[in-house]
Amino acid sequence: KAGVTQTPRYLIKTRGQQVTLSCSPISGHRSVSWYQQTPGQGLQFLFEYFSETQRNKGNFPGRFSGRQFSNSRSEMNVSTLELGDSALYLCASSYRPGRNEKLFFGSGTQLSVL
Amino acid sequence: AQTVTQSQPEMSVQEAETVTLSCTYDTSESDYYLFWYKQPPSRQMILVIRQEAYKQQNATENRFSVNFQKAAKSFSLKISDSQLGDAAMYFCAYRSASNSGYALNFGKGTSLLVTP
Repeated sequence: KAGVTQTPRYLIKTRGQQVTLSCSPISGHRSVSWYQQTPGQGLQFLFEYFSETQRNKGNFPGRFSGRQFSNSRSEMNVSTLELGDSALYLCASSYRPGRNEKLFFGSGTQLSVL
Repeated sequence: AQTVTQSQPEMSVQEAETVTLSCTYDTSESDYYLFWYKQPPSRQMILVIRQEAYKQQNATENRFSVNFQKAAKSFSLKISDSQLGDAAMYFCAYRSASNSGYALNFGKGTSLLVTP
């Protein structure tokens, strides 16, 4: 079974641009969540999706948005990029949302904003 | 909001020895889950071990075990018979058991170096 796939692995953008990151969950998983990892702030929760609905959102500005498609694939979008958005963006999937559900992470997309 | 603190930015252990990574957390909830994740250079977060707060028995997974002290809000990870492949960043994480969301709150991590 293929794991969580995130594309692209690396991305370089300039300030003011927008970017879209993609995440394909493990086959059969319907819940996808996103995390931002930076050296200063560590790992921070962005949002969680289940059955195309956002269930939970972290404390990030409105420039950060996401969506989930009917095949459970998810995308996150960051508009008007800032230097501070440079980070590793990790996606995780699980069969469904739940406190006892095991999360499986992808290898992330490394975003550099110049 | 729940906070997770890992007070050891870096730790070092010799191969075959035992090392303990510390984690404390702050919460007013009584029901929650605690995790240790490993992040090797490949960047993929890998679940090492999971503990349910309502279970008094400490979780164990092969060479990995935890010391869960609920009253002290402490959750340390013990790695026995350390191997070179154990070298990685280790993150402690908290998850609420409420239905409002299942986001993980992570600590800042501990970098584990394993020397031959």
